[in-house]
Formats: sequence, C-alpha cells, structure tokens
Amino acid sequence: AAGVIQSPRHLIKEKRETATLKCYPIPRHDTVYWYQQGPGQDPQFLISFYEKMQSDKGSIPDRFSAQQFSDYHSELNMSSLELGDSALYFCASSDYRVGDKNIQYFGAGTRLSVL
Amino acid sequence: DAKTTQPNSMESNEEEPVHLPCNHSTISGTDYIHWYRQLPSQGPEYVIHGLTSNVNNRMASLAIAEDRKSSTLILHRATLRDAAVYYCILRDVGEYGNKLVFGAGTILRVKS
Repeated sequence: AAGVIQSPRHLIKEKRETATLKCYPIPRHDTVYWYQQGPGQDPQFLISFYEKMQSDKGSIPDRFSAQQFSDYHSELNMSSLELGDSALYFCASSDYRVGDKNIQYFGAGTRLSVL
Repeated sequence: DAKTTQPNSMESNEEEPVHLPCNHSTISGTDYIHWYRQLPSQGPEYVIHGLTSNVNNRMASLAIAEDRKSSTLILHRATLRDAAVYYCILRDVGEYGNKLVFGAGTILRVKS
C-alpha cells in the first residue's frame, strides 16, 4: 500500500538559508500534519491542513510557513534557518471520511541539519 | 489536552508478553485513548485505540480500566522489532483532524 512520501530525506543548509520540505500524503487522504522532532525529544506538532485550508496551528515559528496544494501535497517552507532548526521533520496524513478512527500515517521524515 | 503519564522505560525478554501502562486520570468522556510507537530512525506508527471497551488487533491489545483513568497496551509476544518508544495519547472524538500531542513515552527494550 502507498505510504506518506517525504522529500528530501536529508537536507543540509547553512544558517540564514531557506529550506523547503515536501510531503505527499497517502492517496485520497485529505488532511496533512507537520511535526518537528529535535534530538532526543518527542515529536511536536507544527501545523495541519484539511482540504487545503489550515486546520490547526502549533508552536510553529513565524519564519516557517506551509500550505497544502490542490493535489493535497504539502510543503513546509523554512526561512532564516537557525542552528536550533536542526531536527527531524515528519509529515502525517489522515482521511476525514474514515470518521472516528482518525489514524495518522507518518512518513519517514526529513532530517534537516543546519550548519 | 488531557495529560498522560507513562513509565520512562521498560525491559522485556523476547517472546514474553509486555504490559505498558498509561495513567490518564483527567480523561474526559469524549477522549479516545490512542497508542503510537516510534521505532528507531522512523516516523511514529499507529498501534491501537479505544474508547471504553478492550480492543484487539493484529499488533496488540488495549485494556481500558472501568473508570477509564488508566489503560494498558499489551504486546502478547515481544520481538526485537518491538523495541521502540511507545506513546499513549488522548484525542477528543469530536474533533477531527486534531493534532497528536506526544508526551514522554515509554522506551521499550527487548532482550534476546
């Protein structure tokens, strides 16, 4: 079965540079979530989109922005990168029509290293 | 978000059952109990969820206390591939699309 695809898997950037992370949800899934996991930490919610509209927002820095496109894929844009942005970034997707299950399926993540 | 409390770590022998406890004394009547796990270097993975009754699936069983203030994830025969961080998470049934709030989960170590 198709899973959540994230690209790139690894990304190395310099301080103050910009990064774009992409997420392709499971086909027919309408909701996308972004999480950040720092070294030795638990995943923290950043932002989510349902049917291309922002549905929830967590502790996402103002330097970050995200959107969901008409084909339901999502991109997380990160500007003015800081050393503290080095982390694993996970994308997850779910299907509204499944109802109360609301299971989130996670991608393998993008490892961002800011030097 | 209602808070959950889990042991920092647990250890099990391979092929033996594992009982992972979770306390959620402030759970509300509309909160589902979800379990996810995260294997090393991978994204979190859904394990099981329930509301009031005990649940079974191919991965595990979920035993929910009658007052719903605690629950236990049961792996019937632990394998080395079950070594992971296990997260117990409460989610309101009325809010579709709400985020997962990961607390400090339980690191499960499985010995061969």
